[in-house]
Amino acid sequence: AQSVTQLGSHVSVSEGALVLLRCNYSSSVPPYLFWYVQYPNQGLQLLLKYTTGATLVKGINGFEAEFKKSETSFHLTKPSAHMSDAAEYFCAVSSNDYKLSFGAGTTVTVRA
Amino acid sequence: NAGVTQTPKFQVLKTGQSMTLQCAQDMNHEYMSWYRQDPGMGLRLIHYSVGAGITDQGEVPNGYNVSRSTTEDFPLRLLSAAPSQTSVYFCASSQLAGGTYEQYFGPGTRLTVT
Repeated sequence: AQSVTQLGSHVSVSEGALVLLRCNYSSSVPPYLFWYVQYPNQGLQLLLKYTTGATLVKGINGFEAEFKKSETSFHLTKPSAHMSDAAEYFCAVSSNDYKLSFGAGTTVTVRA
Repeated sequence: NAGVTQTPKFQVLKTGQSMTLQCAQDMNHEYMSWYRQDPGMGLRLIHYSVGAGITDQGEVPNGYNVSRSTTEDFPLRLLSAAPSQTSVYFCASSQLAGGTYEQYFGPGTRLTVT
């Protein structure tokens, strides 16, 4: 069984500030971890994924995430927020099959 | 490639009505899935398919049927709509990439049941 907990349903940041979205997972097998972004009225788009190997993963739009097995975490960061980063972000876990378990999502608001 | 397409984009049903949400992909992916998205609950898996003629239940299958007669199409049928099925529905197709399955999502169907 696997599950994901995203801490904080809403995050508000100033433009140019650090974006930090928290994700903790539970999995009975080595996990595969994903972050997706959903812009208003659109489908989900893959930001980045962790499978094996390097624990710091770089994705699109300047985002990165670090897999920490000891903390069962996969937090998403971006050093400098842009207005275009306003969206909902979902963390997801898979046991390497085609079924994903999603967190509840975190809505990011960027203040000018 | 059009990717994953879904029709309709919006639909309003009355309780007890039935309908089919359409999903098609042109990427020749074996795996396809249906999710529903509800506020504060993320996406939950309804049904999935590992290939033509093979389907299985996900986390929340009750009230929904699926079939997979071709690789391209994976329709979702609501048998007798209920207000609890008001949601946004996403179809996804998957391919093996970089050691795991990478999912591609359609734009969604927003369904309201009154």
